[in-house]
Amino acid sequence: AQSVTQPDIHITVSEGASLELRCNYSYGATPYLFWYVQSPGQGLQLLLKYFSGDTLVQGIKGFEAEFKRSQSSFNLRKPSVHWSDAAEYFCAANAGGTSYGKLTFGQGTILTVHP
Amino acid sequence: DTGVSQDPRHKITKRGQNVTFRCDPISEHNRLYWYRQTLGQGPEFLTYFQNEAQLEKSRLLSDRFSAERPKGSFSTLEIQRTEQGDSAMYLCASSGTAPNEKLFFGSGTQLSVL
Repeated sequence: AQSVTQPDIHITVSEGASLELRCNYSYGATPYLFWYVQSPGQGLQLLLKYFSGDTLVQGIKGFEAEFKRSQSSFNLRKPSVHWSDAAEYFCAANAGGTSYGKLTFGQGTILTVHP
Repeated sequence: DTGVSQDPRHKITKRGQNVTFRCDPISEHNRLYWYRQTLGQGPEFLTYFQNEAQLEKSRLLSDRFSAERPKGSFSTLEIQRTEQGDSAMYLCASSGTAPNEKLFFGSGTQLSVL
């Protein structure tokens, strides 16, 4: 079965520190991969996506993610976290094509930022 | 672009009652999706429409659930005979039909079944 796993339920970092959120996927073929952010009372916002090509993808708000086929991973990174980055982050995948909008989400990682 | 709107934002109901939620997608978007998100979990796909046609339904969508998009614009999601397990955030998203178009999500309707 297709699945997306985020091993860390909750991560706490200090403002200015670097961040890495983990994501692993299990799909029959390499899926399309996404990271979304959800703040309280807000809709899910797309940070970045990977379809093919360069395995390091840049997104909005200074985030980047690296696709590693050998590890079935798509980890999200940010070099220096800001207090406004505190939110819940979701990794997601789909099989592309006509299934593009049918996303499989991970369980989410809650990010807390300490001043 | 006014974004995806969902109404109501919150709904509290008693077990056994019927509830209906509405989603207004971005006006030029042909595709509309419904997801359900329970506490501590990521969203789960329920169903999607292209224009007025419902093209796919998840097995999560039991017989008590029905979704419509009668004129290819707004959509409604109805839950009949609600159960406590239906308590969740119901999210709507929309997109265009070009390949790999970005999904825009609404803020959701939070349902609490007492």
